[in-house]
Amino acid sequence: AQTVTQSQPEMSVQEAETVTLSCTYDTSESDYYLFWYKQPPSRQMILVIRQEAYKQQNATENRFSVNFQKAAKSFSLKISDSQLGDAAMYFCAYRSGNTDKLIFGTGTRLQVFP
Amino acid sequence: EPEVTQTPSHQVTQMGQEVILRCVPISNHLYFYWYRQILGQKVEFLVSFYNNEISEKSEIFDDQFSVERPDGSNFTLKIRSTKLEDSAMYFCASSEALQGWANAGELFFGEGSRLTVL
Repeated sequence: AQTVTQSQPEMSVQEAETVTLSCTYDTSESDYYLFWYKQPPSRQMILVIRQEAYKQQNATENRFSVNFQKAAKSFSLKISDSQLGDAAMYFCAYRSGNTDKLIFGTGTRLQVFP
Repeated sequence: EPEVTQTPSHQVTQMGQEVILRCVPISNHLYFYWYRQILGQKVEFLVSFYNNEISEKSEIFDDQFSVERPDGSNFTLKIRSTKLEDSAMYFCASSEALQGWANAGELFFGEGSRLTVL
């Protein structure tokens, strides 16, 4: 069975600095997708970034980028130039290519200090 | 911006009672999902629904649970006889139809319905 592990329950960063959130996963499949979702307090989860396993190039979305290490089964999220609005719970998630369901990690709560 | 809406935001019920959680997915989406998060635990997949039938369900989704799309807009989760362990945040999500491997079908989530079973 696939699993997703986020080993950092909480992280903090100074505004304008860079922070990296860790995620590892376990799977025997070759076709899958990885995601980072952001959940601000009392708001819905929104997709931050997505990585297809067959792509070697790391995904980037503005200030958000990933470090996808397929052999190591690692999928970290880097947030550059952190902003106060980045404060949220961040969930790493895995989805097999042949299924509907997302498998989530336990989440990392990110605090951003001015 | 279109969004998934859920009602109620919080429901308190007695053990053994039936509960219906309601969701209005984004209007042009065709895939619908329920996830739940027990306090302090992971978000867990419950069920996916497409073309008026369940396409996938987890082992959590036993006979106590059912889903329905009673009209063109609502998507409901029913728990027939609630148990204490059903207390959780329930998230509805929707996505456009999948187009094959290249389209991972981004999920759009609602804000969640908190269910407390006493």
